[in-house]
Amino acid sequence: EPEVTQTPSHQVTQMGQEVILRCVPISNHLYFYWYRQILGQKVEFLVSFYNNEISEKSEIFDDQFSVERPDGSNFTLKIRSTKLEDSAMYFCASILPANTEAFFGQGTRLTVV
Amino acid sequence: EDQVTQSPEALRLQEGESSSLNCSYTVSGLRGLFWYRQDPGKGPEFLFTLYSAGEEKEKERLKATLTKKESFLHITAPKPEDSATYLCAVQDPSEGSNYQLIWGAGTKLIIKP
Repeated sequence: EPEVTQTPSHQVTQMGQEVILRCVPISNHLYFYWYRQILGQKVEFLVSFYNNEISEKSEIFDDQFSVERPDGSNFTLKIRSTKLEDSAMYFCASILPANTEAFFGQGTRLTVV
Repeated sequence: EDQVTQSPEALRLQEGESSSLNCSYTVSGLRGLFWYRQDPGKGPEFLFTLYSAGEEKEKERLKATLTKKESFLHITAPKPEDSATYLCAVQDPSEGSNYQLIWGAGTKLIIKP
């Protein structure tokens, strides 16, 4: 069964450092997303990506965040200068537009210390 | 502001004890309502999509229903392996939202053997 793969599963970083979270979406999917979930809180939309560009982003997705699809398979989320409040689970998801089922990865737990 | 509210926050049932989880929404113009299951430390796993009032979908012990203002996830004769957090989400009704989801806080379901 196809799945969305995220690496690493857990990342610990010092405040102010840059992190890159990686995702391999399902190969024939066309829309890609990043969501985050702070411990004990709701899942929150960060950004959607289609046709090699950002199609939508939330207020959370400020200038410290960026996304890229560098090689046609990987989909990355970069946080340039991490803050303590960036600590959360980050989920990547992909979707085939003909189908509304979004497939989520297992998440990357980011801990900023 | 668009809102998705789930109740109860937590529900403890004995194995075999049927019940229902509620998701109420206030989005102006529903494009789709989604139910996901989330196990601890994992990404959301798709269960159902509902589009219009009166629609019902079933999968094993779960049945999802939809009215104009709320959705119910009915669980019949649950087993301990049904223990998880059940998340409800609605598709952002704004133009060009590309399947951006607005999430509820979830209902944590615990089934005791």
